[in-house]
Amino acid sequence: QVQLQESGPGLVRPSGTLSLTCDVSGGAVGSTNWWTWVRQPPGKALEWIGEIYHLGTTNSAPSLQGRVGMSIDKPGNQFSLTLTSLTAADTGIYYCARAKGVTRNLDSWGQGLPVIVSS
Amino acid sequence: DIQVTQSPSSLSSSVGDTVTITCRTSQKINSYLNWYQQKSGKAPKLLIYGALSLQNGVPSRFRGTGSGTEFSLTITSLEPEDFATYYCQQTYTAPRAFGQGTMVELK
Repeated sequence: QVQLQESGPGLVRPSGTLSLTCDVSGGAVGSTNWWTWVRQPPGKALEWIGEIYHLGTTNSAPSLQGRVGMSIDKPGNQFSLTLTSLTAADTGIYYCARAKGVTRNLDSWGQGLPVIVSS
Repeated sequence: DIQVTQSPSSLSSSVGDTVTITCRTSQKINSYLNWYQQKSGKAPKLLIYGALSLQNGVPSRFRGTGSGTEFSLTITSLEPEDFATYYCQQTYTAPRAFGQGTMVELK
């Protein structure tokens, strides 16, 4: 069974850059799945950030206005998220997940990483 | 972008009740609709994928229906562990948006 684990800083400064990594075990990031980032502001709904395929193809939320970058590291079996020009609105829990099959259902999730944007 | 509208935002029910949550999309998405359950402080858990298919290990009291633009999640005979927040997500095209969530509370 595939397992995912997010890592990165818990506190970042406004206008700074957030860099998160998701380590995958029990499955290969080079498989035919998409790898996804989702976030959840405090007390609010889930928000889809974006996804990356093992060949490097990405899709991201237009609402994030080009601040999102994603990459995949097949030898390290991990994938990463970069979010620039941070504001307090980027505070929340960040999840990585596997989007499986044609329906791209998110069948495996990391436990989530709380991130606070504050000076 | 496809808009996803989920209703109601919350509902109060008792153990043994049957509840239905609805998700509507602004464009037809065939059956590219998934349902998740989230408990406080935990990651979401996949319940239903492809609008109709029950994820492995999920009890059969959870049922998904619909296609096109209107979808429903029905929970038959609520159990104590079913009180949680539920989200739908369209995966027809990016951005693969979630609904606003439905909190199912104990009456």
